Amino acid sequence: KAGVTQTPRYLIKTRGQQVTLSCSPISGHRSVSWYQQTPGQGLQFLFEYFSETQRNKGNFPGRFSGRQFSNSRSEMNVSTLELGDSALYLCASSLGTGGLSYNEQFFGPGTRLTVL
Amino acid sequence: GNSVTQMEGPVTLSEEAFLTINCTYTATGYPSLFWYVQYPGEGLQLLLKATKADDKGSNKGFEATYRKETTSFHLEKGSVQVSDSAVYFCALSDKNTGNQFYFGTGTSLTVIP
Repeated sequence: KAGVTQTPRYLIKTRGQQVTLSCSPISGHRSVSWYQQTPGQGLQFLFEYFSETQRNKGNFPGRFSGRQFSNSRSEMNVSTLELGDSALYLCASSLGTGGLSYNEQFFGPGTRLTVL
Repeated sequence: GNSVTQMEGPVTLSEEAFLTINCTYTATGYPSLFWYVQYPGEGLQLLLKATKADDKGSNKGFEATYRKETTSFHLEKGSVQVSDSAVYFCALSDKNTGNQFYFGTGTSLTVIP
């Protein structure tokens, strides 16, 4: 079974530009979550999409947005890039069905974004 | 709210030494607890998990027990190897907050031969 894939793996942008990152979840997984990882702040939750709808959202400004397609692939977009947006962006997929038990998240390798 | 606190690193150990990485949590409900490991240049991999109090998660020689009374989930391994060098993250997921995971800041472990 193929794992979570993220493209591109590395990206260099300049301040003010926008960027789109892509994530393909494990086949059969309907939930995709995005995280920002930085040395100073650690792993911070951005948002989660389930069945093409944003189901959960972290505490990030509106410049960060996302969407999910009918095949569960997800994209996240960051507009008007700032230096502080430089980070590793991780995508995680899970079955997405809750209930009384957890939903194990499987992570992709991440996209390393550098903003100059 | 929900949060995870884990011991700061970096931690440097000699091969075959005993490892403990402390993790405590705050949760409003009844969370599931996890340890993830991140090797250089890679994403996070689930190491072990526990979904209710007194559960013990174990994998690859690592163990952690869900202690509700002390709100802790400390990671232990009896004899570390050079290949265990990585960053370890403690995390929780609370069904009351959907599929959102809360992570600790990570503890870097280096094992020297």
